[in-house]
Amino acid sequence: KNQVEQSPQSLIILEGKNCTLQCNYTVSPFSNLRWYKQDTGRGPVSLTIMTFSENTKSNGRYTATLDADTKQSSLHITASQLSDSASYICVVSLQTGANNLFFGTGTRLTVIP
Amino acid sequence: EPEVTQTPSHQVTQMGQEVILRCVPISNHLYFYWYRQILGQKVEFLVSFYNNEISEKSEIFDDQFSVERPDGSNFTLKIRSTKLEDSAMYFCASILDRGSTDTQYFGPGTRLTVL
Repeated sequence: KNQVEQSPQSLIILEGKNCTLQCNYTVSPFSNLRWYKQDTGRGPVSLTIMTFSENTKSNGRYTATLDADTKQSSLHITASQLSDSASYICVVSLQTGANNLFFGTGTRLTVIP
Repeated sequence: EPEVTQTPSHQVTQMGQEVILRCVPISNHLYFYWYRQILGQKVEFLVSFYNNEISEKSEIFDDQFSVERPDGSNFTLKIRSTKLEDSAMYFCASILDRGSTDTQYFGPGTRLTVL
């Protein structure tokens, strides 16, 4: 069964600290993995996209890693800011099919001053 | 930066009423999607649309739901007779092509509240 699991479910960190969010998946055949940021009441916004051959991708203070062998990904946020408070969703794509996106339940990050 | 737009941002309706949620995808995109997200739950796929027809739909997308691209720019989701459990955020998304690294752009969502 194609599934995407994320941990932790929620996380609270102090402003300026780093954090790492985890994503494990069983989706196959794998095409790519995306991390999205979703602010409360808004649509998801793409942060990174990684294909099978990529094992790291950065977007500013966000760095995503991918281990396609163990089917794990992480999103590392450095020097967190209050505006980083949001849900971070891991989405894995199948190679085929119109409905080829599998969404994780997200990690709710709260950055406090 | 191109963006997907959705209207209205919030829709309140009585159970049993029909609602139409509207989306304007990014102009040169070819694939369009509707998703919903019940409060506190994950985003769920409803339907995908390509070349003026439904490509795929989920179990959620029953006979009460329909989609249309009436004029080449708008993409609508109609719920014929709303139920309480239809209360959710509805997101429209579009993608240029289903290549391996194409980004799926989401709209800001419509919050549907069924009373």
